[in-house]
Amino acid sequence: NAGVMQNPRHLVRRRGQEARLRCSPMKGHSHVYWYRQLPEEGLKFMVYLQKENIIDESGMPKERFSAEFPKEGPSILRIQQVVRGDSAAYFCASSPVQGTSETQYFGPGTRLLVL
Amino acid sequence: SQQGEEDPQALSIQEGENATMNCSYKTSINNLQWYRQNSGRGLVHLILIRSNEREKHSGRLRVTLDTSKKSSSLLITASRAADTASYFCATEHRSNDYKLSFGAGTTVTVRA
Repeated sequence: NAGVMQNPRHLVRRRGQEARLRCSPMKGHSHVYWYRQLPEEGLKFMVYLQKENIIDESGMPKERFSAEFPKEGPSILRIQQVVRGDSAAYFCASSPVQGTSETQYFGPGTRLLVL
Repeated sequence: SQQGEEDPQALSIQEGENATMNCSYKTSINNLQWYRQNSGRGLVHLILIRSNEREKHSGRLRVTLDTSKKSSSLLITASRAADTASYFCATEHRSNDYKLSFGAGTTVTVRA
């Protein structure tokens, strides 16, 4: 059973471009969580999604950021018109059940660098 | 903020010594978890301790939890160079049972 997959592992974008980060949850997991880690900091919760539903996006910046988890395919975190402050590591986690962090499994992360 | 705070921010020890780091948090929790992150890499889950537990062991790791003081400690015994990493505590709070709140981490350097 493969773990949580994220791609790309590294992404370089120039200011103003779009960044698309993908997360494939573990097999059988229908809950996905995105976290962002700024340099020298801990992870910060961004958004929690179930298939085709956004459950909690309280940690997402209101502008330029969006997330989806379609019925088929990976979850996508999309950042439009990137700025240097978006440079960070973005981690996703997945779980098979709702309502607990005990069964969250983290992916290896995507490191975004905005030039 | 519900985030945990680790102390110290950085720790440098000799191989074979023990490393202790602490985590404090602010609101009631369901559980507290410790993670390791090697430089530029992903997170490795080390250990989870629930709010009704006081101590837990896993190999060379020992975790304590004091809910009255809202604090936890992670002890790594007989440290090795491979233990060099950043260590984060993460808390699951009762009000948000799927969100993990991470501290800023303790950077541990084990000198050979």
